[in-house]
Amino acid sequence: QKEVEQNSGPLSVPEGAIASLNCTYSDRGSQSFFWYRQYSGKSPELIMSIYSNGDKEDGRFTAQLNKASQYVSLLIRDSQPSDSATYLCAVNDGTASKLTFGTGTRLQVTL
Amino acid sequence: EPEVTQTPSHQVTQMGQEVILRCVPISNHLYFYWYRQILGQKVEFLVSFYNNEISEKSEIFDDQFSVERPDGSNFTLKIRSTKLEDSAMYFCASGAFLQETQYFGPGTRLLVL
Repeated sequence: QKEVEQNSGPLSVPEGAIASLNCTYSDRGSQSFFWYRQYSGKSPELIMSIYSNGDKEDGRFTAQLNKASQYVSLLIRDSQPSDSATYLCAVNDGTASKLTFGTGTRLQVTL
Repeated sequence: EPEVTQTPSHQVTQMGQEVILRCVPISNHLYFYWYRQILGQKVEFLVSFYNNEISEKSEIFDDQFSVERPDGSNFTLKIRSTKLEDSAMYFCASGAFLQETQYFGPGTRLLVL
């Protein structure tokens, strides 16, 4: 059974701080990695995709991938109250088309 | 910006009834998916569809479920005889390339009474 693990939180950070979200995955053959944001009652919205080891930056968001450690993370700089949501880590392995999701980490950005 | 659309947004049905959930994927996408999310739980894969056939399905996707692309734009999920445990949010997703980004629709909230 391929697993994606996340700390469910809540992770509470003050406005303007850096939020660090982490995810580990069990399938060493995984090829594609995604961070989605999900507001309560809404659908997953893509934040970042990452396919190779290292960092990938997009605005206030940085995704980091370490395939040797089977670890992917998301940093959110200058956190805003509107960033308060559940962040879902999703992994696609090298053979299947499906995404395997973690349970998500609930982020709370406090004023 | 193109987006995935789904109808209806909410569906209430009696146990044992058939329901059809409808999706319009992004127009130039080739890969189509259904996921579901039971309240408070993780998003779970149901089925993927490519080139007019199922490419993969999960254990959840049993004989009660079927998918169809009846025309060039719609993608449907049918549940033949709904059970209480089918109550969930059902998301359609589409992607242009295999193993790359999947874009999700707003979902259909299904409640089986």
